[in-house]
Amino acid sequence: KQEVTQIPAALSVPEGENLVLNCSFTDSAIYNLQWFRQDPGKGLTSLLLIQSSQREQTSGRLNASLDKSSGRSTLYIAASQPGDSATYLCAVGEEASNTGKLIFGQGTTLQVKP
Amino acid sequence: DAGVIQSPRHEVTEMGQEVTLRCKPISGHDYLFWYRQTMMRGLELLIYFNNNVPIDDSGMPEDRFSAKMPNASFSTLKIQPSEPRDSAVYFCASSLSGTYLLSGNTIYFGEGSWLTVV
Repeated sequence: KQEVTQIPAALSVPEGENLVLNCSFTDSAIYNLQWFRQDPGKGLTSLLLIQSSQREQTSGRLNASLDKSSGRSTLYIAASQPGDSATYLCAVGEEASNTGKLIFGQGTTLQVKP
Repeated sequence: DAGVIQSPRHEVTEMGQEVTLRCKPISGHDYLFWYRQTMMRGLELLIYFNNNVPIDDSGMPEDRFSAKMPNASFSTLKIQPSEPRDSAVYFCASSLSGTYLLSGNTIYFGEGSWLTVV
């Protein structure tokens, strides 16, 4: 059974710092991996999706990498801002053409201090 | 589009009562998902539909839970009878098949229904 783990559970950094969030999964037979952001009391917003054949994806200050063979993904946030404060969740996709059938990690709660 | 719309946003009910959660997916999306989020178990997929047909309900915890999608623009998740351990945030999400090769946002979540059973 696939298990997704995110470390650390919480992270506090000063504004401007570059940071890395980690995600690991136990079964490398995944079709894709997504990173989501969740603000308190809100739903999830998809940030980046990496197909299993890809190594990384970038969007603005965010860069996500995927190493399927080792069962790891990282989300790199450059020049962090207070507005980046949220919970970040990674999720692995279990079906090739269905990006919504996901197994989620427990998330990393990020606080960026001004 | 207004996004995925869920109702009610908050509900407090007594144990044993029936609870119905509602979802309107994004127009044109052919996949609809119900997820549940708790502190202990995180986010779990309960059931999903494709073109209004339930495809996988293996995540539905018990027979007390049922979900329907009578048409492309509406779905319900029902709990009968409700128990305190059902207290959670229930999310509905929708997506469009054929977008899986994109790198951007392919699944859209509603803001959730916060359920408390006392």
